[in-house]
Amino acid sequence: AQSVAQPEDQVNVAEGNPLTVKCTYSVSGNPYLFWYVQYPNRGLQFLLKYITGDNLVKGSYGFEAEFNKSQTSFHLKKPSALVSDSALYFCAVRVFYGQNFVFGPGTRLSVLP
Amino acid sequence: DAGVIQSPRHEVTEMGQEVTLRCKPISGHDYLFWYRQTMMRGLELLIYFNNNVPIDDSGMPEDRFSAKMPNASFSTLKIQPSEPRDSAVYFCASSLRVTEAFFGQGTRLTVV
Repeated sequence: AQSVAQPEDQVNVAEGNPLTVKCTYSVSGNPYLFWYVQYPNRGLQFLLKYITGDNLVKGSYGFEAEFNKSQTSFHLKKPSALVSDSALYFCAVRVFYGQNFVFGPGTRLSVLP
Repeated sequence: DAGVIQSPRHEVTEMGQEVTLRCKPISGHDYLFWYRQTMMRGLELLIYFNNNVPIDDSGMPEDRFSAKMPNASFSTLKIQPSEPRDSAVYFCASSLRVTEAFFGQGTRLTVV
């Protein structure tokens, strides 16, 4: 069965510092990996994706993520955090044969001024 | 495109009543997903469609839940009868094959 783990429920970081939100996955075959962000009372917004090619992918708002096949990880990173980055972040994997998305439990990011 | 459109945004109903949630996917997308989000259970996939055909409904909690997609531009999620434990935010999302999904703003359902 496919699964996504986000080992940290909460991540706190000071404004201006680098941030990392961790994600590991378990899937049969080649994974399609995604990061989404959710602000209060809003839907999920797409940030970035890995389908194939370069392991480092860049997305919206200065976020990037690195696909590591040997560690089955897809950590989200940003060099300098902003207070406005505070939100709930979801990692997701899309399974090829079924085409549905499996989401992780989410990580709440708090950027402190 | 206006994105995925869900209605209503908020619904408050009494236990035992029928509730219908509506979704208009992005034009041209051939996958449609219904998710439910709660504090306790996080984001759960209820059902998804491909080309208007239900592919996997194993996430539908009970027979009280049903979903339809009569055409490529419209889907409904119905709960009959509703119960307080159905209170949650329900999201609809659409996508093409392989690509990311685009989510609607959600319907916040409260059953009293």
